Amino acid sequence: DIQMTQSPSSLSASVGDSVTITCRASQSIRIYLNWYQQKPGKAPKVLIYAASSLQSGVPSRFSGSGSGTDFTLTISSLQPEDFATYYCQQSYSTPPTFGQGTKVEIK
Amino acid sequence: EVQLVESGGGLVQPGGSLRLSCSASGFTFSNYAMHWVRQAPGKGLEYVSAISRNGGSTYNADSVKGRFTISRDNSNNMLYLQMSSLRAEDTAVYYCVRDRSTVDTTYNFDYWGQGALVTVSS
Repeated sequence: DIQMTQSPSSLSASVGDSVTITCRASQSIRIYLNWYQQKPGKAPKVLIYAASSLQSGVPSRFSGSGSGTDFTLTISSLQPEDFATYYCQQSYSTPPTFGQGTKVEIK
Repeated sequence: EVQLVESGGGLVQPGGSLRLSCSASGFTFSNYAMHWVRQAPGKGLEYVSAISRNGGSTYNADSVKGRFTISRDNSNNMLYLQMSSLRAEDTAVYYCVRDRSTVDTTYNFDYWGQGALVTVSS
């Protein structure tokens, strides 16, 4: 199975800050990388697919980049509604696997 | 509007069985592969099962292989997960998830249901 490792596991930031979350795959997954946001008690919501494609309806302050084994999710200007847990997921091979999550908290 | 609504969760004893259902609406159900993904309390996301658009092909994670069966009824826009020989470690919220593609099973997810809690405990 492909292992997905996110860093950091958690971070504290203020409204307006730029935030970057990193996801590393244990082998190349080309651009088969997706990012999800999950708020407490809610289902995950897709933000970015195919490494850098913004899901319809998602604010443009969210962006993704990377290919191969190293990927990043950037939130350019953190808003109050962005405090949540973020997961990366590879769709390159079965089983699809998720990172352990990055919790973004209010500083 | 795409909607996925799970039902059938609850408390079951170890070794018992349970069937989850997912009612789909707002899209042509038979055009999309479907999946189940679970999340244990306070933990991360774990992939469970997939089924192709016509139901002819399925995939199960090793952790549930031989115990869980995914199926679908395209006439009624329903997805199912039959779970048997349940263990404490199967305790989780189970999400019904749509594949993004109308061409193939890509394991790239775009819509998620609200989830159904399954608790395995004596």
